[in-house]
Amino acid sequence: QVQLQESGPGLVKPSETLSLTCSVSGASIGSYYWTWIRQAPGKGLEWVGYISSMGGTDYNPSLKSRVTISRDTSKKQLSLMLTSVTAADTAVYFCARTQVVGPTGPPYFDYWGPGTLVTVSS
Amino acid sequence: QSVLTQPPSVSGAPGQRVTISCTGSSSNIGAGHAVHWYQQLPGTAPRLLIYGHINRPSGVPDRFSGATSGTSASLAITGLQPDDEADYFCQSYDSSLRTYVFGSGTKVIAL
Repeated sequence: QVQLQESGPGLVKPSETLSLTCSVSGASIGSYYWTWIRQAPGKGLEWVGYISSMGGTDYNPSLKSRVTISRDTSKKQLSLMLTSVTAADTAVYFCARTQVVGPTGPPYFDYWGPGTLVTVSS
Repeated sequence: QSVLTQPPSVSGAPGQRVTISCTGSSSNIGAGHAVHWYQQLPGTAPRLLIYGHINRPSGVPDRFSGATSGTSASLAITGLQPDDEADYFCQSYDSSLRTYVFGSGTKVIAL
């Protein structure tokens, strides 16, 4: 059974860096793409970015200058870093296993963590 | 504001059929990019419901079905049940924005 669990500080000050970890069990990190998605309170879903099975990354253009996704295969963990945060970055952050469809894309997300709420406030 | 537009809510009596639309444009659904659907129960993570326009993952009842035509997609729920009360999101890719996009979300209400 694939399970994902996000963790990290629930409160981050404006202008600081948001850092989250996603622990994965039941699947090999090196065999799949993994995606971070966020959801502001009462709002819709926003794709943040992904890390591929080969370790390459792709990010939402609106966040690209501030976001970094990485992985530690030995620890079975994914990481998300978002710099210079503002109140607009307040959201529940989800990590999700990603299935690549192929040329007709886009990928879809078949297993999700429960999410972790990050509030940006002084 | 999402580039994939969904009605804020749809409602139906238990046992009825409801349909959720996902309206896009020539840079996303109309460009042939696949559409996927997710169900989000209150306070939980989204759950994959439909992938590749019409395919159901194992464990998803056949009461849920997807379709695509032109620049729009739709999700149908037949035999509506109280447990189907949730938010539903469509997802695709937008070539102009060069990003994966989600619909604005639809709340399904079982009357």
